[in-house]
Amino acid sequence: DAKTTQPPSMDCAEGRAANLPCNHSTISGNEYVYWYRQIHSQGPQYIIHGLKNNETNEMASLIITEDRKSSTLILPHATLRDTAVYYCIAAPYTGANSKLTFGKGITLSVRP
Amino acid sequence: GAVVSQHPSWVICKSGTSVKIECRSLDFQATTMFWYRQFPKQSLMLMATSNEGSKATYEQGVEKDKFLINHASLTLSTLTVTSAHPEDSSFYICSATRIAKNIQYFGAGTRLSVL
Repeated sequence: DAKTTQPPSMDCAEGRAANLPCNHSTISGNEYVYWYRQIHSQGPQYIIHGLKNNETNEMASLIITEDRKSSTLILPHATLRDTAVYYCIAAPYTGANSKLTFGKGITLSVRP
Repeated sequence: GAVVSQHPSWVICKSGTSVKIECRSLDFQATTMFWYRQFPKQSLMLMATSNEGSKATYEQGVEKDKFLINHASLTLSTLTVTSAHPEDSSFYICSATRIAKNIQYFGAGTRLSVL
């Protein structure tokens, strides 16, 4: 799986948009970009994933650059409950056996 | 939405005893489930891949005789930590892939403390 790199931490003000960057310069054509987050002492929560088109759901938006070497997760209106470690993962879709390799992620702190 | 249930959420046991953790996919069938371990301030590390009706596949460095995995049905996988020792104390997390959505969902995790 392609390696992803994320800044170790960032913060944003409550109510503002949080833009979390991720580099995946060695991503291959069959690898998706997945975003998960882990709130303290809980299991990871799926947020969103995409292959090459931008994606949006009720939680967030995912912007993937045209060359697919980087992406940005956007939380449009961050709340205190969005404080968590966010993981960006590049993984191929191989059906049920697709493994996810977690890096260190980025710690997002939302301040009041 | 898809839910993966994990039980128990926390367990305390004496050194030398065995502990079983259950992982269930509640509204979808999962031919494959995954078991991860997470130590404090570290990321998740994949331990093994659990396959329904066959033997689990363990990652390098994970003792298969210590961490017994059984995937007896399409909705249940169990991880048994045998003869647990204090160094096995960790946060254990399972996951399952909902194939139709190409999404891996995670349980809430089990915190194991071995005294």
